[in-house]
Amino acid sequence: EDQVTQSPEALRLQEGESSSLNCSYTVSGLRGLFWYRQDPGKGPEFLFTLYSAGEEKEKERLKATLTKKESFLHITAPKPEDSATYLCAVQAPPGNTGKLIFGQGTTLQVKP
Amino acid sequence: SQTIHQWPATLVQPVGSPLSLECTVEGTSNPNLYWYRQAAGRGLQLLFYSVGIGQISSEVPQNLSASRPQDRQFILSSKKLLLSDSGFYLCAWSRDGKETQYFGPGTRLLVL
Repeated sequence: EDQVTQSPEALRLQEGESSSLNCSYTVSGLRGLFWYRQDPGKGPEFLFTLYSAGEEKEKERLKATLTKKESFLHITAPKPEDSATYLCAVQAPPGNTGKLIFGQGTTLQVKP
Repeated sequence: SQTIHQWPATLVQPVGSPLSLECTVEGTSNPNLYWYRQAAGRGLQLLFYSVGIGQISSEVPQNLSASRPQDRQFILSSKKLLLSDSGFYLCAWSRDGKETQYFGPGTRLLVL
């Protein structure tokens, strides 16, 4: 069964304290792995798409990496405004449905 | 640029009442459309998706139904709401089944 597991469930950091969020997945034939940011009471905001092992993408203080079994979202020198829930999702066959399988998310709190 | 709208933003309904949530997309044509539900503290669960007008696929058996009367309009409905239908409902669109999904602002539904 296709599955996505994110860890930790919650993470508290001091401003400037770098860390990583983990997304482990088991899927037959990965088509893409997606990272989203979700603020309380709002819809998820797209961050990155990764398609193949070894791929990396960066945006400001965030860097996403992908291996054959997991993805990491590295946060460098975080600021309080980076506080949010970060969601990981994978897309797998069959067909052209675009179905995404989501993890439970990691809630990040950055204290000033 | 593309935008996605959902309304209402918040809804409080009694058990047994009907439901209609609406989602519209602007700035694109023939998008794939998706309805997700996010229960409190949990990940997103895909409910329905549509690859074209009148084409609806259901992912999980439930008390809800979906319709796509126009190319960029997606409606989520119920004839009689249950307590378990409470949650945060998110609509998303993508250019096709392989592309990134972009989410709307969501509708918070509370069934009492």
